[in-house]
Amino acid sequence: EDQVTQSPEALRLQEGESSSLNCSYTVSGLRGLFWYRQDPGKGPEFLFTLYSAGEEKEKERLKATLTKKESFLHITAPKPEDSATYLCASRGTASKLTFGTGTRLQVTL
Amino acid sequence: DVKVTQSSRYLVKRTGEKVFLECVQDMDHENMFWYRQDPGLGLRLIYFSYDVKMKEKGDIPEGYSVSREKKERFSLILESASTNQTSMYLCASSEEPYEQYFGPGTRLTVT
Repeated sequence: EDQVTQSPEALRLQEGESSSLNCSYTVSGLRGLFWYRQDPGKGPEFLFTLYSAGEEKEKERLKATLTKKESFLHITAPKPEDSATYLCASRGTASKLTFGTGTRLQVTL
Repeated sequence: DVKVTQSSRYLVKRTGEKVFLECVQDMDHENMFWYRQDPGLGLRLIYFSYDVKMKEKGDIPEGYSVSREKKERFSLILESASTNQTSMYLCASSEEPYEQYFGPGTRLTVT
């Protein structure tokens, strides 16, 4: 059975304080590792897809990386508007995604 | 831009009522999905569809059914709503085998 575990559950950073979120996954035949951002009361917003170990993707202050067992979402010099819950999901041989429970990020001034 | 819309943002229903949640996507995607999201449990897949009139059970299909009569529209039906179905319901669509795009969600309360 596919499993995705995210850590930490919650993270509080000061503006400008860089950090990383972790996503550990167990899946047969990885066909994609996905990162989403979710604001309170809204649907998840797609950020990145990673397909193979060593791959990296960047968008503004966010960079996602992938190894054979984990993915990291690095946040460089975060701003308060980066506050959200970040979700990770894996896709194996089936079409469906397995989601982690998310990391709730708060960035304060 | 992909757009997925859901019929209601907030819904309040009574126990035993039949509830319809509708989802429409405008990108001609093959796949559509229904999830529920609960605190501490994350997103759980209820049903998905990879073609018109086709459906597959997800991880928690009990108490739900779905309908896909047109490619752009996927409906979730609660035949007899119960309080344990109070949740946030999220619809998503995707083009195989790429990322899923989500709608804004429907917060359903069953009293």
